[in-house]
Formats: sequence, C-alpha cells, structure tokens
Amino acid sequence: AQSVAQPEDQVNVAEGNPLTVKCTYSVSGNPYLFWYVQYPNRGLQFLLKYITGDNLVKGSYGFEAEFNKSQTSFHLKKPSALVSDSALYFCAVRDVLHAGSNYQLIWGAGTKLIIKP
Amino acid sequence: EAQVTQNPRYLITVTGKKLTVTCSQNMNHEYMSWYRQDPGLGLRQIYYSMNVEVTDKGDVPEGYKVSRKEKRNFPLILESPSPNQTSLYFCASSMQATAYEQYFGPGTRLTVT
Repeated sequence: AQSVAQPEDQVNVAEGNPLTVKCTYSVSGNPYLFWYVQYPNRGLQFLLKYITGDNLVKGSYGFEAEFNKSQTSFHLKKPSALVSDSALYFCAVRDVLHAGSNYQLIWGAGTKLIIKP
Repeated sequence: EAQVTQNPRYLITVTGKKLTVTCSQNMNHEYMSWYRQDPGLGLRQIYYSMNVEVTDKGDVPEGYKVSRKEKRNFPLILESPSPNQTSLYFCASSMQATAYEQYFGPGTRLTVT
C-alpha cells in the first residue's frame, strides 16, 4: 500500500543551527514528492517538489530536500534555521505508476518544527 | 493576485442543519480538491474534480457532496452535518492533477454541535 511516514511529531532546533525534517515513502512506481508548510491559522503553502532529475531540489525560503531512492526518503533540510521557520510541515507523495484517474496525493501526518531563539 | 478563497472561515452550526462552504480560484486551474485536516491524521481528501462537471470521491466522502458547474468554483455541501464532521477544511487547486503543486485556501474551521 502507498504510504508516507513522518517519523517525528515534533522537531526542536536552535536558531542558526541546521534543521532536518524526515520523510519516508512507500509506492509501487516512481514517486512525485512534495513538501508543504502550514503556518498558524493559514492554509498550506508549497515549498518544493521532486519530479525527476537532480536528487537535490531547492525550494522556497532557503529550504532544500534530497531524494534518496534506495532509502525511499525525501528529507527536508535548511542550513541555518530561523525562528520564522517554526510551522507545521507536510510531506506528500504521488505514485506515478498507479496514479489512476485521481493522481491522489498521499499525505504524511505532519511534523511540527519549533525553532528556539 | 492568484489565490484560492474559502467562505466562511469559521462556522459553528447544529447537527442536521444543511450548510455550504464555498471555494473559488482565479488561476484557471483544472483540478480542485477538498480536504479535511484532523490532529494526527494529516490531510484526508474528501472529493476532487478533474475539470468542470467531473467530480469523484476521495478517501472520506461520506456525508459530503460537491459540484463543479464552473471551472473556478467548487463548493462543499454538508446536507446533514454531524459532530464527527467537526474539522478544519481546505480547498485546493492545481493546474492539473499530476506533477503540479497545489494552491490551498485559508481553511474553514467547522464546529458541529
């Protein structure tokens, strides 16, 4: 079955330190992978995506993510965290091979990122 | 400004009283979708629409209806709301349903008593 796992409910990082938010997935075919961020009382905003090509993708607000096919992971990273990065982060995957008529996104449960000054 | 709008943003209602949450996008997107967000469960898709007059069920369609008569609008209808439909609802749209990112509305927080 297709699934996405975000193994950490919460990640705490000191401002200025590097951050990683983990995501692993399970699909039958090739994945399309996405990261979204949700700030308090806001809708989700797109951060970045992996479709094909370079395994390291760069996105908004200085975030990047690395697609690792052998480990079926797509971890979100940032070299130096800001307090304003504190938010809820969601990983999502679309199974290209078994997209069917819906091309449904499978969502992780979300990881709360807290950046402390 | 490119955006997805939802109304109302907050709604408190009683069991059984029909309600509609509106969703509109100004980006000429073909694909639109409704999600509900509950703590610890992430986002679950309720209904989606590939284009005008084409709608289909997502993961949790029970108790909901949708329509897509115009490309820009995708209202969510709760014919007889129940307390288990208390949730945060998001409408989203994207150019197509494949490799494109989705744009989300600001959310509607619904409480059914």
